[in-house]
Amino acid sequence: EIVLTQSPATLSLSPGERVTLSCRASQSVSSYLAWYQQKPGQAPRLLIYDASNRATGIPARFSGSGSGTDFTLTISSLEPEDFAVYYCQHRSNWPRTFGQGTKLEIK
Amino acid sequence: EVQLVESGGGLVQPGGSLRLSCAASGFTFSSYEMNWVRQAPGKGLEWISYISSSGSTIYYADSVKGRFTISRDNAKNSLYLQMNSLRAEDTAVYYCARDRYYGSGIYDYWGQGTLVTVSS
Repeated sequence: EIVLTQSPATLSLSPGERVTLSCRASQSVSSYLAWYQQKPGQAPRLLIYDASNRATGIPARFSGSGSGTDFTLTISSLEPEDFAVYYCQHRSNWPRTFGQGTKLEIK
Repeated sequence: EVQLVESGGGLVQPGGSLRLSCAASGFTFSSYEMNWVRQAPGKGLEWISYISSSGSTIYYADSVKGRFTISRDNAKNSLYLQMNSLRAEDTAVYYCARDRYYGSGIYDYWGQGTLVTVSS
């Protein structure tokens, strides 16, 4: 089973700041990595798939990069609605696994 | 508009059974693979099961293998999860999620979730 480790666990930032979240895989997942956003009481929402492709309707301030074992999600300028928990997930093999999440909170 | 609506959650005793349903609309259900993903209270996401569009291919996470059964009825646009021998650690919100395209493992639409609580 591929283990995805996200860092940091929590980030405290202000609107307008730039943020980079990290996801590291225990073995290569090629580019088969996705990012999801989850707000309290809501289902997860797909943001990025295959490391760098924005899902439909996702603002351009969200971008993803990486391949192999190291991946990042960058939000270029935080909006108030971006404060949430972010999960990475691979689709390289079975079982699909998720990272433990990074919580983005307002400073 | 794509919609996934889960139902069937509730309180069940350890060792008991429950059947979850996911009603799909707004897309050709029979053309898409589907999954169940769960989230324990205050915890992260855990993929637990997958079923191909025809139902011929199924996968489970080790944590539920032998206890849970995924199925679908394409004529009724519905996905199911039969959960037996439930344990306290199965307490979670259960989401159904659609695969973006064949074999993708990219979950582009999710239901709102249904809460399963396993407790005596």
